[in-house]
Amino acid sequence: GAGVSQSPSNKVTEKGKDVELRCDPISGHTALYWYRQSLGQGLEFLIYFQGNSAPDKSGLPSDRFSAERTGGSVSTLTIQRTQQEDSAVYLCASTPGRQVNTEAFFGQGTRLTVV
Amino acid sequence: AQSVTQLDSQVPVFEEAPVELRCNYSSSVSVYLFWYVQYPNQGLQLLLKYLSGSTLVKGINGFEAEFNKSQTSFHLRKPSVHISDTAEYFCAVSLTGGGNKLTFGTGTQLKVEL
Repeated sequence: GAGVSQSPSNKVTEKGKDVELRCDPISGHTALYWYRQSLGQGLEFLIYFQGNSAPDKSGLPSDRFSAERTGGSVSTLTIQRTQQEDSAVYLCASTPGRQVNTEAFFGQGTRLTVV
Repeated sequence: AQSVTQLDSQVPVFEEAPVELRCNYSSSVSVYLFWYVQYPNQGLQLLLKYLSGSTLVKGINGFEAEFNKSQTSFHLRKPSVHISDTAEYFCAVSLTGGGNKLTFGTGTQLKVEL
């Protein structure tokens, strides 16, 4: 596609429910990143996929968070048993290759509200 | 580990006035430096980046930034702002040694007023 696409754009869920957030990167981009943007806290790295390599999960805040990337393209971020502190904007980005010194292209994000 | 500090959470400025958004970083190894902009209801967009070479980097929309290694700073400047520059600005670093993720500052909200 023309850019990084994320869905849904907004999600309201009840505490304790599971949610799935989707990211469709730019076609041909081998690297995909998930970040979380919380109010007043900037962007926090969550997870990174590069081609067929094992993902870098070092930023995931707890074992309730997981992500997968099917066929080297679309990625899904899953949050199980959501908590109110999970409320944030979840951003996905993709780059053509391994290095981050190239431009990262960001989607518009999914705004998650846990009530 | 590396970190990025943006001391100013909000910067109000009148249209056509100059502006400087401050960014300082901390890292034990060499880093690449970036400024991203987030317009209302949009995704982040790269403004400019410093990888190596000249310490003065020019970006889109008339913005520029200067890398100062001794002060570990990468301040963003524009000589004359426009209403359309109202947005949130994020400074970020990544490691030069094959690092694969950006570390962001907390952002600076630039509000341009008439």
